[in-house]
Amino acid sequence: EADIYQTPRYLVIGTGKKITLECSQTMGHDKMYWYQQDPGMELHLIHYSYGVNSTEKGDLSSESTVSRIRTEHFPLTLESARPSHTSQYLCASSEPGDRDYGYTFGSGTRLTVV
Amino acid sequence: AQRVTQPEKLLSVFKGAPVELKCNYSYSGSPELFWYVQYSRQRLQLLLRHISRESIKGFTADLNKGETSFHLKKPFAQEEDSAMYYCALRTGANNLFFGTGTRLTVIP
Repeated sequence: EADIYQTPRYLVIGTGKKITLECSQTMGHDKMYWYQQDPGMELHLIHYSYGVNSTEKGDLSSESTVSRIRTEHFPLTLESARPSHTSQYLCASSEPGDRDYGYTFGSGTRLTVV
Repeated sequence: AQRVTQPEKLLSVFKGAPVELKCNYSYSGSPELFWYVQYSRQRLQLLLRHISRESIKGFTADLNKGETSFHLKKPFAQEEDSAMYYCALRTGANNLFFGTGTRLTVIP
């Protein structure tokens, strides 16, 4: 089934560890996005990509990095996790000419750094 | 700079009562506005977009450029409408900016 998948759903990890949050979509969408959301706060765009080998930083400064080597895969990496990185991370995708259809969101990864 | 404001974090209404979730925006260009909804234990999903001028699940929203508003309305709330609602603005850069959301609770 065409969809967007995020793993893991929940992650508790110690300070200083390197982590990668996975996001994959099977819809053939060119555009993909990462949002960060703290409880009760807005969703903030931290990274986006308009296609393979294209990545840009979003409006909220983030210490994370992303890569887009394949159309369907848009992983987010934190080289050294800190408690300040504790948040929910949402991945989304959209297609060209999507002005009428909005974004498709994944289920999110809730990250806790202890 | 663009901004989306949802002044109510929480809103409770009785079943069958009208409901209005407020959204105001600031953006110097031509805005595109959306409403997204997140039901309990489900993903964030698109509810409606202003350019289609449609009604989804009984909800409507009209873009008022004079008041820079895009309020979401439904004449008769149902229990299944209880959810988190986010207003979102798309800019010329084609990225979505979200408000802080309003949690709607429909009381039986």
